[in-house]
Amino acid sequence: KQEVTQIPAALSVPEGENLVLNCSFTDSAIYNLQWFRQDPGKGLTSLLLIQSSQREQTSGRLNASLDKSSGRSTLYIAASQPGDSATYLCAVRGNTPLVFGKGTRLSVIA
Amino acid sequence: DAMVIQNPRYQVTQFGKPVTLSCSQTLNHNVMYWYQQKSSQAPKLLFHYYDKDFNNEADTPDNFQSRRPNTSFCFLDIRSPGLGDAAMYLCATSRDRTGARETQYFGPGTRLLVL
Repeated sequence: KQEVTQIPAALSVPEGENLVLNCSFTDSAIYNLQWFRQDPGKGLTSLLLIQSSQREQTSGRLNASLDKSSGRSTLYIAASQPGDSATYLCAVRGNTPLVFGKGTRLSVIA
Repeated sequence: DAMVIQNPRYQVTQFGKPVTLSCSQTLNHNVMYWYQQKSSQAPKLLFHYYDKDFNNEADTPDNFQSRRPNTSFCFLDIRSPGLGDAAMYLCATSRDRTGARETQYFGPGTRLLVL
């Protein structure tokens, strides 16, 4: 059974810092990995999708990497802003629908 | 343009009183999912429809049912809500179930409160 773990559970940084969020998964037989953003009380917004054959994807200040063989992904956020404050969830898709981690709650302090 | 719409956004019900949550999509996707998310927890898949084919997760309580009358709409019925069913309910869609490029599109969620 696929399990997804995200570390840290919460993170607080001053504005302008670069930061890394971590995601690990137990079964490397995946089709893709996605990073989502969730604002308090809201639904999920897809940020990046990395196919299993890819190593990384970039969108603006966000860069996600995937090391499928070791079961790890990182989300790098450059020059963080207060508007980046949210919960970031990692999810993997294999032969089942998406399996999610619990997320990392990020606070960027102005 | 809204692609996955959930109504209502907030629902208050009484203990044991049946409640229905609604989801609609404008994407014409084959697959529709229902997730339950409790505070600070990962979204938990309850079930999904692949077209008209219903797929229940093994640990989804019998208290939760679903209907998909057509491609665009999917409903979540909670027959006898308990206090433990208070949560955010997320609806999502995807074009297919597998494939490296497949992504899921989520609605804004319905927050359910059980009194």
